Amino acid sequence: AQKITQTQPGMFVQEKEAVTLDCTYDTSDQSYGLFWYKQPSSGEMIFLIYQGSYDEQNATEGRYSLNFQKARKSANLVISASQLGDSAMYFCAMRDSYSGAGSYQLTFGKGTKLSVIP
Amino acid sequence: DAGVIQSPRHEVTEMGQEVTLRCKPISGHNSLFWYRQTMMRGLELLIYFNNNVPIDDSGMPEDRFSAKMPNASFSTLKIQPSEPRDSAVYFCASRGDSNQPQHFGDGTRLSIL
Repeated sequence: AQKITQTQPGMFVQEKEAVTLDCTYDTSDQSYGLFWYKQPSSGEMIFLIYQGSYDEQNATEGRYSLNFQKARKSANLVISASQLGDSAMYFCAMRDSYSGAGSYQLTFGKGTKLSVIP
Repeated sequence: DAGVIQSPRHEVTEMGQEVTLRCKPISGHNSLFWYRQTMMRGLELLIYFNNNVPIDDSGMPEDRFSAKMPNASFSTLKIQPSEPRDSAVYFCASRGDSNQPQHFGDGTRLSIL
């Protein structure tokens, strides 16, 4: 079963508008973490935002916020006031459970390609 | 501060040749991860190290792939012999505390002809 599901292969948004990128996850762990990364056409992977499963407040980082709904197992990324430079692939990822050696893996979704229209 | 440094940025070689990808993690990070990204399969974890020790190599596709981390500041991913289906972008990432994000290098774009 897929642990991270991003149902939107591609999204369009008008410049200066807000956009929500969907992410649902599947885990039986009580302690986990959710991450969003941005991959522009140049190829690098850029960390955007993190939400811990015990965090009561939704994470925010500048124009990025994470709409965390624990009961629904969703962790949607909201980008406010979209800019042309936001055009990129966006990946949702989840930190896996403890492997027994102090290190946690990340499981990535397939990604959503966001295109910002001028 | 320097991020994760990967070399080379691009590699084009003929099938059958040995390929070595290099990674320098962020200083102080004790976990290192190698990923492969393709259009078909997305981002796949190949192997990860904690304190220079390989923890899980179940993602390594086959015996042609090997990875080492001789010290805290250097890791290699080797493919020998290389095949055209190994063509992909290979990322190295490092992380400190387990609640911290992984920081990625710029990747190595590998093309096997």
